[in-house]
Amino acid sequence: DAKTTQPPSMDCAEGRAANLPCNHSTISGNEYVYWYRQIHSQGPQYIIHGLKNNETNEMASLIITEDRKSSTLILPHATLRDTAVYYCIVRASIQGAQKLVFGQGTRLTINP
Amino acid sequence: NAGVTQTPKFRILKIGQSMTLQCTQDMNHNYMYWYRQDPGMGLKLIYYSVGAGITDKGEVPNGYNVSRSTTEDFPLRLELAAPSQTSVYFCASSYLETGETYEQYFGPGTRLTVT
Repeated sequence: DAKTTQPPSMDCAEGRAANLPCNHSTISGNEYVYWYRQIHSQGPQYIIHGLKNNETNEMASLIITEDRKSSTLILPHATLRDTAVYYCIVRASIQGAQKLVFGQGTRLTINP
Repeated sequence: NAGVTQTPKFRILKIGQSMTLQCTQDMNHNYMYWYRQDPGMGLKLIYYSVGAGITDKGEVPNGYNVSRSTTEDFPLRLELAAPSQTSVYFCASSYLETGETYEQYFGPGTRLTVT
């Protein structure tokens, strides 16, 4: 699975959009981009995933560049409860057991 | 649904002791996973299972054993606890439907200290 690079920390004001970048320059054509987050020592929580097209759900939007070498997770209206460590994960296929490889992620702090 | 439950929440072991971390899911998921997370680090996969009776090693399996006798339960066994196994352990599950595996659901974790 491709390696990902994320900034170690970011800050965002409450109510603003939080944009979390992820580089995955060695991504292969069949690899998906997943985002999970971990709120203060809880178990990680799935946010969103995508292959080529931009994706949106009730939690966030995922923007993947045309060359697929990077992506951005967008939390449109960040709240204090969005303070967490965000993990960008790239893995092949969405079939079978998902052996996720977690890096150190980005620690996002939402400030009041 | 309770989702993924883990017991105990906390445990202190002495070096050389053994214990079993329990994990149960009530979502009828076929895939289950065990991860460990050391302080300030991401999660690492220990073992996983694709169904009852089938298990396989992940990234860091040494010092651990697993079994999967039912769809619901996936216990993790530490036989001879060592200080290097001090960590937070997370169990997770996911399901396969129409050829697509969906996201993993994680339990609340077990915080283990070996002294």
